[in-house]
Amino acid sequence: DAGITQSPRHKVTETGTPVTLRCHQTENHRYMYWYRQDPGHGLRLIHYSYGVKDTDKGEVSDGYSVSRSKTEDFLLTLESATSSQTSVYFCAISLEDSNQPQHFGDGTRLSIL
Amino acid sequence: GENVEQHPSTLSVQEGDSAVIKCTYSDSASNYFPWYKQELGKRPQLIIDIRSNVGEKKDQRIAVTLNKTAKHFSLHITETQPEDSAVYFCAASTRGSQGNLIFGKGTKLSVKP
Repeated sequence: DAGITQSPRHKVTETGTPVTLRCHQTENHRYMYWYRQDPGHGLRLIHYSYGVKDTDKGEVSDGYSVSRSKTEDFLLTLESATSSQTSVYFCAISLEDSNQPQHFGDGTRLSIL
Repeated sequence: GENVEQHPSTLSVQEGDSAVIKCTYSDSASNYFPWYKQELGKRPQLIIDIRSNVGEKKDQRIAVTLNKTAKHFSLHITETQPEDSAVYFCAASTRGSQGNLIFGKGTKLSVKP
């Protein structure tokens, strides 16, 4: 298995609170991604990073921000969580760009009440 | 932007039969097409991928075919087994300076003993 650790694995919080999810990799891969998975929508890209301090938006980036201060860590922040952000969040890594295999972490199940 | 359509959304087969899942994509510049298998409550796992300079690729009971002209690709599973039951996702790479993957919405495959 690829060396990807997501934390926390489960979280329940209230609307309006800030939430930060962490993805940690030990593979020294350049690219890191955050996806959300919802029934009927498959996997949708939120943000991705192509290097330290280099990030870009995906198709569903509204309400989310990211940071990558070290190669191994990619943080996803919900500044003020809403119920529509209840989802399963997956982090993925790839050696280079989208033309390389992406490997996924085990996911974080986030519930916002 | 890139759009990936996946069919069918559900597929039920008898053990030992073959299963075929089809995807179409819209961006003619896409050149990398992975397939992922996701068991219930688990992370998506890469099972096979194909690049645009190849028409077919096989790995034991799994094969993927690509028709660049028609912009569609398919996953073929032969001699299905109950452990093949899962949700399968196709994806296509996007153009752009950095690039990422766009996923289909998934196919739930059920293999009945």
